[in-house]
Amino acid sequence: AQKVTQAQTEISVVEKEDVTLDCVYETRDTTYYLFWYKQPPSGELVFLIRRNSFDEQNEISGRYSWNFQKSTSSFNFTITASQVVDSAVYFCALSEASGASGGSYIPTFGRGTSLIVHP
Amino acid sequence: SQTIHQWPATLVQPVGSPLSLECTVEGTSNPNLYWYRQAAGRGLQLLFYSVGIGQISSEVPQNLSASRPQDRQFILSSKKLLLSDSGFYLCAWSMKRTPLHFGNGTRLTVT
Repeated sequence: AQKVTQAQTEISVVEKEDVTLDCVYETRDTTYYLFWYKQPPSGELVFLIRRNSFDEQNEISGRYSWNFQKSTSSFNFTITASQVVDSAVYFCALSEASGASGGSYIPTFGRGTSLIVHP
Repeated sequence: SQTIHQWPATLVQPVGSPLSLECTVEGTSNPNLYWYRQAAGRGLQLLFYSVGIGQISSEVPQNLSASRPQDRQFILSSKKLLLSDSGFYLCAWSMKRTPLHFGNGTRLTVT
């Protein structure tokens, strides 16, 4: 069974600080996908990134970066020089390639980390 | 490009009344469709998913049901709402290995 743990319930930072959101996952599959989503106060979930289990390269997109480490089953998300607009709930998710019901790739979400960036 | 529409945005319903939330996807064919609920605790609970017309899988036994009458239409229903049905309902779509893309959600308050 797949499981995603986001141990940080809430993080509060001051603008321009760097912040890392932790994500630890469990899976018995060798092929799987990891995701990060952002949920701003308006409510919709916005897809940020997907990584597959064969690609451990870290990724950087502007102020966002992701560190995928299979050895520790972690897929952490760092925001550099945080801004007030980064305030949101961030979800990490995992889907196994074997999937349920014949490969439906249904993701399991962590409980989310609420990031509050103060001006 | 693909878009997902979900309505209504907010809904206040009395206990015991019926419910119908609708979700449609444009710009793709035979998507996987999902209904999630997000209660106050913030976690996302998968309620139903569908891999094709008329194919519905329920993840949590409850007061709700789902239907997929057309390829890109997904409906969440209840015959009689309970107070515990209050929450934020999100529809999403994906293809087999792609990320989920979510609608804007419906905030349901059962009074």
